[in-house]
Amino acid sequence: DVKVTQSSRYLVKRTGEKVFLECVQDMDHENMFWYRQDPGLGLRLIYFSYDVKMKEKGDIPEGYSVSREKKERFSLILESASTNQTSMYLCASSLLRRANIWNQPQHFGDGTRLSIL
Amino acid sequence: TQLLEQSPQFLSIQEGENLTVYCNSSSVFSSLQWYRQEPGEGPVLLVTVVTGGEVKKLKRLTFQFGDARKDSSLHITAAQPGDTGLYLCAGTAGGTSYGKLTFGQGTILTVHP
Repeated sequence: DVKVTQSSRYLVKRTGEKVFLECVQDMDHENMFWYRQDPGLGLRLIYFSYDVKMKEKGDIPEGYSVSREKKERFSLILESASTNQTSMYLCASSLLRRANIWNQPQHFGDGTRLSIL
Repeated sequence: TQLLEQSPQFLSIQEGENLTVYCNSSSVFSSLQWYRQEPGEGPVLLVTVVTGGEVKKLKRLTFQFGDARKDSSLHITAAQPGDTGLYLCAGTAGGTSYGKLTFGQGTILTVHP
């Protein structure tokens, strides 16, 4: 079974702090994603990465950055946390699109509930 | 930007009832995935539909992809309390999208015993 592990289930930080959320997958997937989940808004893509050191902005990248130094690890960084970044953060991974196999499922971690005070 | 409108946002029904969740867009998707999420966990894939008009069944759940690949539905027959959860539809654009998904807003289903 694919395992996506997020380092913390719950995190409380203060406004202005630099926050690191870590995600590790064990299935050698090329793609990794960071989402935030808010009630009524579904999952919104923050950043994704399709290879080591490669990153692409998603729909809501402002206030966030990412790091992918190793294939299995994808980190989300809140440069200067603000209260509007209080949310559930979900990490996911999937196989890179291959010819005729572009509908790979994403495998999710259990999420980090982040509160910014 | 592709958007997926999912409805209804909330469903509260009695055990044994039938229900349908809809997922609509003005854009064409290469495939549509349905996920289910339980409290404290990440979403888990239920099914992927890839061909216009395709129907897939998973026990009491029936998934349909619209002919034009712009919409999808999830129908549950004789709902049970174990079906309670958040249901999410998600579409892939194909091409060079690197497997990115566009998610609907989700439907929170509560099935009462």
